[in-house]
Amino acid sequence: AQSVAQPEDQVNVAEGNPLTVKCTYSVSGNPYLFWYVQYPNRGLQFLLKYITGDNLVKGSYGFEAEFNKSQTSFHLKKPSALVSDSALYFCAVRDHNTNAGKSTFGDGTTLTVKP
Amino acid sequence: SAVISQKPSRDICQRGTSLTIQCQVDSQVTMMFWYRQQPGQSLTLIATANQGSEATYESGFVIDKFPISRPNLTFSTLTVSNMSPEDSSIYLCSVDKSGTSGYEQYFGPGTRLTVT
Repeated sequence: AQSVAQPEDQVNVAEGNPLTVKCTYSVSGNPYLFWYVQYPNRGLQFLLKYITGDNLVKGSYGFEAEFNKSQTSFHLKKPSALVSDSALYFCAVRDHNTNAGKSTFGDGTTLTVKP
Repeated sequence: SAVISQKPSRDICQRGTSLTIQCQVDSQVTMMFWYRQQPGQSLTLIATANQGSEATYESGFVIDKFPISRPNLTFSTLTVSNMSPEDSSIYLCSVDKSGTSGYEQYFGPGTRLTVT
């Protein structure tokens, strides 16, 4: 079985400050990890993924995430937040042996960046 | 990459009726996936649709309630049957595309369904 936890329902940061959105996961095998963003009344947009290789993954819009195997975490980060980053963020995990598309999603974290 | 369109984008339906949601992909894909996102909640996989075979449903979802068609490699439909207010959700179509660094999962814009 696979699962994802996003421990924070909401994250509030001031514009220009660094942001972190937390994600921990559980899978029986090697994980594929993903971050998606959902803007109001829009579909999900892919931000970044970890498959293998470097633990620090860089993605769209200046976001990055660090894979930490010992802590089973994949926190999303950005050095300097923008008001336009305000959205709903989902972490997802898939066991690399799992059928394609059968990702398990976290409950989502609402990020609010204030001017 | 993959560009996915869905129709309708939103609808308001009366309980007891059915709605068919269409999903069109701009390239051929083996598997298509249907998710549900209930208000304020995360995404839940309903079923996997393979071309030429019956859809595979996740626990808690049945074919009679959510019949799926997959007539070709670029198109699928999901029907929400005998609707009740509890079916009010965003329904999302999704595909996987393989690239140089593994799979990426793409989502359609969603169909926002409200059942009254």
